[in-house]
Amino acid sequence: AQSVAQPEDQVNVAEGNPLTVKCTYSVSGNPYLFWYVQYPNRGLQFLLKYITGDNLVKGSYGFEAEFNKSQTSFHLKKPSALVSDSALYFCAVRDFNKFYFGSGTKLNVKP
Amino acid sequence: EPEVTQTPSHQVTQMGQEVILRCVPISNHLYFYWYRQILGQKVEFLVSFYNNEISEKSEIFDDQFSVERPDGSNFTLKIRSTKLEDSAMYFCASSEIQHNEKLFFGSGTQLSVL
Repeated sequence: AQSVAQPEDQVNVAEGNPLTVKCTYSVSGNPYLFWYVQYPNRGLQFLLKYITGDNLVKGSYGFEAEFNKSQTSFHLKKPSALVSDSALYFCAVRDFNKFYFGSGTKLNVKP
Repeated sequence: EPEVTQTPSHQVTQMGQEVILRCVPISNHLYFYWYRQILGQKVEFLVSFYNNEISEKSEIFDDQFSVERPDGSNFTLKIRSTKLEDSAMYFCASSEIQHNEKLFFGSGTQLSVL
């Protein structure tokens, strides 16, 4: 069965510092991996995806994610965090027409 | 960007009562989904819907759950006899084509069963 895990419930970072939100996956076959973000009172918004190709994937709002097959990880990164990046982040894996989500990581960026 | 809309944003009900959660998917989308998230747990797949029928459902989606597209715009999730453990945030989502990776999500309905 496909699954993802987000080991951190919360990540705190100072504005301007780099941020990493961790995700590990367990899949049979090729992984199709995604990151979504949820701002308060909004739905989940697509950030980026990895299907195949380059291990470093760039997405919306300056975010990127690194696919690491040997470590079965797909960590979300940003070189310089903004206060406006504070939100709930979900990692997900796609299996045909279903998405399996992680439990979410709350990112707090402090000024 | 187009949005999926869900109503109500919060729903409080008594155990055993029926609830209907409503969603308006994006107008040109063909595939519709319901997910839920119990507080502190993962976002879980419930059901997918295409061409006026269920295309896939999870083990969570038992006989007390049903979905319907009663007209050309709404997509509803009905829980016939709510249980305490049905308390969760319910998300509706839609996509243009089945294997399109991009799901568009609504902002969710927080269901509280007392």
